[in-house]
Amino acid sequence: SQQGEEDPQALSIQEGENATMNCSYKTSINNLQWYRQNSGRGLVHLILIRSNEREKHSGRLRVTLDTSKKSSSLLITASRAADTASYFCATDALYNYGQNFVFGPGTRLSVLP
Amino acid sequence: DADVTQTPRNRITKTGKRIMLECSQTKGHDRMYWYRQDPGLGLRLIYYSFDVKDINKGEISDGYSVSRQAQAKFSLSLESAIPNQTALYFCATSDPRRSGGAHTQYFGPGTRLTVL
Repeated sequence: SQQGEEDPQALSIQEGENATMNCSYKTSINNLQWYRQNSGRGLVHLILIRSNEREKHSGRLRVTLDTSKKSSSLLITASRAADTASYFCATDALYNYGQNFVFGPGTRLSVLP
Repeated sequence: DADVTQTPRNRITKTGKRIMLECSQTKGHDRMYWYRQDPGLGLRLIYYSFDVKDINKGEISDGYSVSRQAQAKFSLSLESAIPNQTALYFCATSDPRRSGGAHTQYFGPGTRLTVL
């Protein structure tokens, strides 16, 4: 099974609301990354959080990491219609030689105007 | 991301045909990857390469082969395409030396492949 699993699978909110997505994983990691994908296009890196970090901010994005629970969350504050996309977490496993960079199935976010 | 390009962007082919998808990058990264994306399954790694002389199988390499012609070029071949290889295919690059040791991935725009 996949290393990263996002929750929920789909999320629909109104513009201006906050959106929270969660990611759970199974093995020890060096870091966890979040990516965004607009429909049918390539993924774009959003933010990276290292295993020794608990929280990180980038603009309207806030990521938390709880290594004891093997989980992470991505919060998008004051969402906009342009935030509509799929969001993926990816885990960069400890002792990673490239083959253990694993993506979850993603959360589809719809922000309604 | 214009730094990683893929050709073709769309391709329709028939069962049994050989097809090649190409990836080029101008980022100067050593590491290159091929993924496929199916609805609800996220991205799955097909092959990856750490340099021109290094090729490694990923999670789902059966039915695929790759060639790393140069640092900047990494092609994916389907020797005999079958309908369940219909998917979105993405090439990606990374360079842990420039990402503090992290395998941050930089993706191409994708190739939509349909096998009839």
